[in-house]
Amino acid sequence: GQQLNQSPQSMFIQEGEDVSMNCTSSSIFNTWLWYKQDPGEGPVLLIALYKAGELTSNGRLTAQFGITRKDSFLNISASIPSDVGIYFCAGETQGGSEKLVFGKGTKLTVNP
Amino acid sequence: DGGITQSPKYLFRKEGQNVTLSCEQNLNHDAMYWYRQDPGQGLRLIYYSQIVNDFQKGDIAEGYSVSREKKESFPLTVTSAQKNPTAFYLCASTSGLLSNQPQHFGDGTRLSIL
Repeated sequence: GQQLNQSPQSMFIQEGEDVSMNCTSSSIFNTWLWYKQDPGEGPVLLIALYKAGELTSNGRLTAQFGITRKDSFLNISASIPSDVGIYFCAGETQGGSEKLVFGKGTKLTVNP
Repeated sequence: DGGITQSPKYLFRKEGQNVTLSCEQNLNHDAMYWYRQDPGQGLRLIYYSQIVNDFQKGDIAEGYSVSREKKESFPLTVTSAQKNPTAFYLCASTSGLLSNQPQHFGDGTRLSIL
């Protein structure tokens, strides 16, 4: 099946640092979503992107839908301890497949 | 509060036993989904349903079964044919394909083998 390559797999940063993670695919997507998952809980939607080139912010989070439709990135500025968790990208392929494809996640650890 | 409720939070299965995981939503969403999550892996789609009384297999449907008799409910049965059922199971829902609305998730059920 289709795959999303999400990187990095894990990150260890100091509180206050900025974070950047990305997802790439060989397929074109018409929707990119970014979720955060805390241990033992379901993923929570952070940002949804629907248009190539779209740049959207949600507080300290910023995500962009790549111009080629094959990639997306998520930036977190001035990280804080509660940013700890696993961040997933997800994409819906062109033509409306009714299904999402998920990356394997980026595990973020923030040291106070 | 509107949302997606999964139960139980933790579930244990004996060898050869079928178990059913519950997913209920009061968001009036048409589409519902079941995912399996293993450590260090992304979410993999088991089954999904766009409307009542209709559902489709996802990427890893073998050993699982579902029903969609009511709009708000989409239970997942893990059958004895699923030889490696230990995982975190997540249910999601959305307004539907044409609504361009993202999926929202429940808090999951962790299934373990006794």
